Amino acid sequence: DVKVTQSSRYLVKRTGEKVFLECVQDMDHENMFWYRQDPGLGLRLIYFSYDVKMKEKGDIPEGYSVSREKKERFSLILESASTNQTSMYLCASSYGTGEYSNQPQHFGDGTRLSIL
Amino acid sequence: GENVEQHPSTLSVQEGDSAVIKCTYSDSASNYFPWYKQELGKRPQLIIDIRSNVGEKKDQRIAVTLNKTAKHFSLHITETQPEDSAVYFCAAPPGAGSYQLTFGKGTKLSVIP
Repeated sequence: DVKVTQSSRYLVKRTGEKVFLECVQDMDHENMFWYRQDPGLGLRLIYFSYDVKMKEKGDIPEGYSVSREKKERFSLILESASTNQTSMYLCASSYGTGEYSNQPQHFGDGTRLSIL
Repeated sequence: GENVEQHPSTLSVQEGDSAVIKCTYSDSASNYFPWYKQELGKRPQLIIDIRSNVGEKKDQRIAVTLNKTAKHFSLHITETQPEDSAVYFCAAPPGAGSYQLTFGKGTKLSVIP
């Protein structure tokens, strides 16, 4: 069974801090994703990565960056946290490249981040 | 990019009745349509998916239908049970061969015993 592990379930940080959210998957998946989930807005893609050191912007990348130094690990970075970044953050991974890229995404348990 | 609309946003049914959730998508090249279930406080989990080369797929009480011409797909749950209560999300990729998924805003299903 695929396991996607997010480093924290709950996190409280202060405005202006640099925040790191970590995600690790154990299935050798090529693709990894970061979403934020807000009530009534569904899941919105922040960034994704289809290979080590590769990254692509999603729908709402402003205020975020990512790092993928190893295949199994994908980090989301809030450069200078703001209160409007208070949200649930979900990491996901999927198998497949090229013509086989449309595959199910497997999610972690999420990190509920509060910025005070 | 892909636009995915999901309706209704909330749905209440009596236990044993059927529930139907509908999604429309905008990119005619999209070829993969998963459905996720998210119980309160838990991660979204894939419950069923369909590819564009079939029109219907069934797994016990759950089925998904796809109408490529109209660009919509639907989730059907029969003989609903209280444990079906959750938020359901549909998704579609922005075109064929894309790693991404664009998600609908979700449907909160409540099954009343």
